[in-house]
Amino acid sequence: QKEVEQNSGPLSVPEGAIASLNCTYSDRGSQSFFWYRQYSGKSPELIMSIYSNGDKEDGRFTAQLNKASQYVSLLIRDSQPSDSATYLCAVNWNYNQGGKLIFGQGTELSVKP
Amino acid sequence: SQTIHQWPATLVQPVGSPLSLECTVEGTSNPNLYWYRQAAGRGLQLLFYSVGIGQISSEVPQNLSASRPQDRQFILSSKKLLLSDSGFYLCAWWGLTGELFFGEGSRLTVL
Repeated sequence: QKEVEQNSGPLSVPEGAIASLNCTYSDRGSQSFFWYRQYSGKSPELIMSIYSNGDKEDGRFTAQLNKASQYVSLLIRDSQPSDSATYLCAVNWNYNQGGKLIFGQGTELSVKP
Repeated sequence: SQTIHQWPATLVQPVGSPLSLECTVEGTSNPNLYWYRQAAGRGLQLLFYSVGIGQISSEVPQNLSASRPQDRQFILSSKKLLLSDSGFYLCAWWGLTGELFFGEGSRLTVL
C-alpha cells in the first residue's frame, strides 16, 4: 500500500514568516514529487515539482527532497495572507504511469496578518 | 496553451439518479486523462485514467464508469447514484513536462 503522509494542521504562521510544510512517503522507489495548493472550494493548482535530491527554488517557494529519508518539504518564505490554503503533497512512483499520483490528505496553512 | 474544462460545476442529485460529468481538453492531442475524486475529509483518489480513445482503466471498484468517445473528451457516468458518490470530481491531464494539471472540478451532492 503506497501512502503519503502530511500533518493535517492547521499550521498558523504570522505574515512575513517562513511556513514549512512536510510530507513523507512509503514507497522508496517513488520518482516524482509535487506540491499543489488548493483554495477552499477550488481545484488543486500545481506549485512545484521536484525529481532529484536537494532543493528547488521558485520565487518564494522552495521544495526540498530527501529520498533516503523518504521526505519532501515545501518552504514558503515571506508568507502572505493569500498563501492561506490547503497544500497537497503528491507522489508518482512510476514515471511511465504518468498522472497516477498518490496524494496526502493535505496541510491547511493559515497566514495571519 | 492547454486548458481543461469540466461541467457542470455543481449539481445536486437524488439517490438512484444517473450522472454524467464531462471533461474536455484544448490545445493538445492524445492526452492522458484522469478522473480523481476528493470526498469530504479525504484525500484525492484516482478513479479512472485513459491513454486514448476507448481505452479506460479503473483504479478502484465502484458505482461509476468512464468513457472516452473522442481524443480530448473524457466522461464520468453512473446509472444509479449512491450517497457515497458525493464529492468533488476532478478531471486532469498529464502534461508534456511530466506534471498533472486539474480542471475546475464538479461538485456533486447526492441526497
